[in-house]
Amino acid sequence: GAVVSQHPSWVICKSGTSVKIECRSLDFQATTMFWYRQFPKQSLMLMATSNEGSKATYEQGVEKDKFLINHASLTLSTLTVTSAHPEDSSFYICSAKLAAETQYFGPGTRLLVL
Amino acid sequence: QKEVEQDPGPLSVPEGAIVSLNCTYSNSAFQYFMWYRQYSRKGPELLMYTYSSGNKEDGRFTAQVDKSSKYISLFIRDSQPSDSATYLCAMSSPNYGGSQGNLIFGKGTKLSVKP
Repeated sequence: GAVVSQHPSWVICKSGTSVKIECRSLDFQATTMFWYRQFPKQSLMLMATSNEGSKATYEQGVEKDKFLINHASLTLSTLTVTSAHPEDSSFYICSAKLAAETQYFGPGTRLLVL
Repeated sequence: QKEVEQDPGPLSVPEGAIVSLNCTYSNSAFQYFMWYRQYSRKGPELLMYTYSSGNKEDGRFTAQVDKSSKYISLFIRDSQPSDSATYLCAMSSPNYGGSQGNLIFGKGTKLSVKP
């Protein structure tokens, strides 16, 4: 149990385009999901907390107009990177909160912006 | 001082060895402690979850929490090449930063188990 999926697993796009990443909890409902990014050989950096039915909470330094988060249902959160640029290239990982303080992570999405 | 300190390694051990991974932390409010395993280019996988102090065992893995010393450990017995990965400690408290369960991660220790 406690499986989280992400789609796509990798994406290559041109600079200036927008990319949408989906995060789904497959066998449980999650009122709270989180979005992280991870640069090579570095730990996870929390970008935002996604709450079902309400606005996301962004961490300091994360542009909410660039990284649009939508949590439309208890099993789906989406992250849209708008007008992507090469510096947005990274590994994006979502997680879903199941119980207490436990988070289960998706497999990640590797984004490469050319 | 960072809230969570973890030696990044790399740590290289022979197959069959006992591995000890550790984290220290500074915030005494942390109550939930987790260990995640992350293979290259994959999302973290929850290995162990502990509430408050004490030991927890699951197969070859044992997690220890010493709140008095603000020190947590993960032991891997009979290590296997398939255990080669980066191990991240994480911790939280119910109202950390006023949020809904944000985790604070260590930087991760890269482990390599040689056959």
